[in-house]
Amino acid sequence: AQKITQTQPGMFVQEKEAVTLDCTYDTSDPSYGLFWYKQPSSGEMIFLIYQGSYDQQNATEGRYSLNFQKARKSANLVISASQLGDSAMYFCAMRDLADRGSTLGRLYFGRGTQLTVWP
Amino acid sequence: ETGVTQTPRHLVMGMTNKKSLKCEQHLGHNAMYWYKQSAKKPLELMFVYSLEERVENNSVPSRFSPECPNSSHLFLHLHTLQPEDSALYLCASSQARVRNTEAFFGQGTRLTVV
Repeated sequence: AQKITQTQPGMFVQEKEAVTLDCTYDTSDPSYGLFWYKQPSSGEMIFLIYQGSYDQQNATEGRYSLNFQKARKSANLVISASQLGDSAMYFCAMRDLADRGSTLGRLYFGRGTQLTVWP
Repeated sequence: ETGVTQTPRHLVMGMTNKKSLKCEQHLGHNAMYWYKQSAKKPLELMFVYSLEERVENNSVPSRFSPECPNSSHLFLHLHTLQPEDSALYLCASSQARVRNTEAFFGQGTRLTVV
């Protein structure tokens, strides 16, 4: 079974600074994908960034980058130049990429980290 | 706007009521999901549904029942709920066989059972 661990219930960062949100995972599958989502207070889950287990390079999307350390089974999210609008809940998730029909690509989520950006 | 629309956004219902949550996507996805998000708990997958296959989480009480009349619509029918069922219910869709792509979520229905 897959498992996602986010050890930081809350993080605080000053505007314009960088922040790292931790995520570790546990899986026996060789092929998997890692996702980060942002959930503002409105409730919608917003996709941020994706990293495949066989990707050679760390994923980047604008101010978001993923520090993927496969041997350590960690996939930390780095947000550079934080903005006030980045204040939200952040979830790490994993999906099995192998074609096992019964799982239908379900995502396994961590408990999330509440990020607060202050001026 | 993610392409996944949930209605209603907020719902307050009594324990004896029957209500339905609706989810709609026009992204051409072939799998749709219901998640439950309670305070201080991880997202819980309730149901995965597609026309080809339905995977049901056995721990979901029978007072919740999904319905997927076509590939674009997913419902969650609710009856005789309990106060502990109060939560944010999120719908998502994805291409189940193309798993290196993200799932798209709706804005959720915030349910309060009184």
